[in-house]
Amino acid sequence: DTAVSQTPKYLVTQMGNDKSIKCEQNLGHDTMYWYKQDSKKFLKIMFSYNNKELIINETVPNRFSPKSPDKAHLNLHINSLELGDSAVYFCASSHRLGGSNYGYTFGSGTRLTVV
Amino acid sequence: GDSVTQMEGPVTLSEEAFLTINCTYTATGYPSLFWYVQYPGEGLQLLLKATKADDKGSNKGFEATYRKETTSFHLEKGSVQVSDSAVYFCALFDSGGYQKVTFGTGTKLQVIP
Repeated sequence: DTAVSQTPKYLVTQMGNDKSIKCEQNLGHDTMYWYKQDSKKFLKIMFSYNNKELIINETVPNRFSPKSPDKAHLNLHINSLELGDSAVYFCASSHRLGGSNYGYTFGSGTRLTVV
Repeated sequence: GDSVTQMEGPVTLSEEAFLTINCTYTATGYPSLFWYVQYPGEGLQLLLKATKADDKGSNKGFEATYRKETTSFHLEKGSVQVSDSAVYFCALFDSGGYQKVTFGTGTKLQVIP
């Protein structure tokens, strides 16, 4: 029944490692997003995909690479992890780009801790 | 560009107190406005929305009215409960701009018994 599911929920890893976070939505939405939430709860958009096409690519280090195999999945791969990458990463989806008047549906987040 | 400004938290209230969380915005077009709530350890959930001026969004006892003249969308609840303790985010979607949602910085609400 889960609408937007992310895995893993928690991820602890060492600096320099490469890791991936997966996201899947079963809502039939055509747009998916990755957001980063820092320790002060500030939300920053990283990427958005519409029908598998990259639409928004904010100022994010190129160590972060999104991949969308189909419009129900948007994965995030991070190379050479750094301490500053520690945060909670949220996946979200919506009808149409930006969510129009319907808003977003968020996943429950992946708490990444880099040690 | 678009921006959303929320009052700084944390806001601490006693149970059954009246809640107001202020939100003002700047947008180039005619945005839709939203309030999202994030409970501890969870993702954001859409709480309510308003799509045009003078619209009132409401849900679970919370209300917010889209005020174009003051560019505001303040969140209110007449009587808060401990279970309302969460972080509240104001957000806007501007269909005329970059077609993305802009979030405020969040306001943490703590309700004590």
